Amino acid sequence: ETVLTQSPATLSVSPGESATLSCRASQSLRRGLAWYQQRPGQAPRLLIYGASTRATGVPARFSGSGSGTLFTLTIDSLESEDFAVYYCQHYDNWPPTWTFGQGTKVEIK
Amino acid sequence: EVDLVESGGGLVKPGGSLTLSCAASGFTFSTYTMTWVRQAPGKGLEWVSSIDSTSRFIYYSDSVQGRFSISRDNAKNSLYLHVNSLRSDDTARYYCAREYTGYNGDWFDSWGQGTLVTVSS
Repeated sequence: ETVLTQSPATLSVSPGESATLSCRASQSLRRGLAWYQQRPGQAPRLLIYGASTRATGVPARFSGSGSGTLFTLTIDSLESEDFAVYYCQHYDNWPPTWTFGQGTKVEIK
Repeated sequence: EVDLVESGGGLVKPGGSLTLSCAASGFTFSTYTMTWVRQAPGKGLEWVSSIDSTSRFIYYSDSVQGRFSISRDNAKNSLYLHVNSLRSDDTARYYCAREYTGYNGDWFDSWGQGTLVTVSS
């Protein structure tokens, strides 16, 4: 079973600055990673799928990259609405398992 | 517009049972795999169970295997999670999510707002 480890646990960033979040997999991923944003009191929202494709309606300041065991979510020029918790997620074919990272909280510095 | 609305949560004693429901609209429900994901208070996301479009393939996490049962009624555009033998560590908000399978992975492209299950004596 693949384990996803996100770092850092908390990232303090000033509005207008950029943020880089990491997700490391315990084994090389043959299929892509997804990223979700969860604002306080809200349901998760899909941001990125297939490691680098933005979901519908996601601003261009969000970008995903990576392959193998290391994946990155970058948020350029953070806006107030971007301060939230971000999760990475992967699906293993066998046994069929959907795995989430433990999350990275992006907070206002 | 895709809409997923969960219901059925509440306060239940340890060892008790509940049935959670998810009403889907805005898409062809019968063609999608559906999933339950939960989130304990202040914690991260945990996959619970998934069911394919025809109910042929059903999967559970180790933490709920044997205690929870997922089902769906495509005629009613509804997803269910029957939760039994509840424990305190089952306390969480339970989200219904639509799964999308692409050429490069599987992800959850729509989520409901969740229903809260609290297990306490």
